[in-house]
Amino acid sequence: NAGVTQTPKFQVLKTGQSMTLQCAQDMNHNSMYWYRQDPGMGLRLIYYSASEGTTDKGEVPNGYNVSRLNKREFSLRLESAAPSQTSVYFCASTNSPYNEQFFGPGTRLTVL
Amino acid sequence: GIQVEQSPPDLILQEGANSTLRCNFSDSVNNLQWFHQNPWGQLINLFYIPSGTKQNGRLSATTVATERYSLLYISSSQTTDSGVYFCAVTDSWGKLQFGAGTQVVVTP
Repeated sequence: NAGVTQTPKFQVLKTGQSMTLQCAQDMNHNSMYWYRQDPGMGLRLIYYSASEGTTDKGEVPNGYNVSRLNKREFSLRLESAAPSQTSVYFCASTNSPYNEQFFGPGTRLTVL
Repeated sequence: GIQVEQSPPDLILQEGANSTLRCNFSDSVNNLQWFHQNPWGQLINLFYIPSGTKQNGRLSATTVATERYSLLYISSSQTTDSGVYFCAVTDSWGKLQFGAGTQVVVTP
């Protein structure tokens, strides 16, 4: 039981490049989330998917898109990376929005 | 949206000391979690505690939902307790809101 996995662990991009962050969970959870964490701050919600087939914006969605590929997988795409998107990105999942959330190990992204 | 405030922002402890971390929130919540972010950046679930008291080894937590606060107790601290402790609450729309965290350093 791997829990929540994320790939890649590290990535360096140049301004304007695109990339997709992958997230998968094997806990049969319905809801999945993408957060970003900037230095000295707590996590902020980018997008979430309450159930397979639905996605909604969180607190900081600008510059990102998401895809809930199936119940297990939820990807985050940066179409045109900007230095302001340099951050650590965490994926999380839960059985329902009011239950305990479990987090992946994070992806450290640097945009030059 | 709901506001989550943690105190103190920083804490330096000598190994073996006890401490209390506090989390205040501005509105009714459906869920409250405590996390430990270790020096490698990994987020570790400590407690899921919408109300009441729970204990796990040297750590315990109490949430008083009616008074909108939660406390995390660390007893007999060890150097491995170093890191950032986050409180996070789920608002009425099911979104998890994080506090800014308490940075804990435990010295030998």
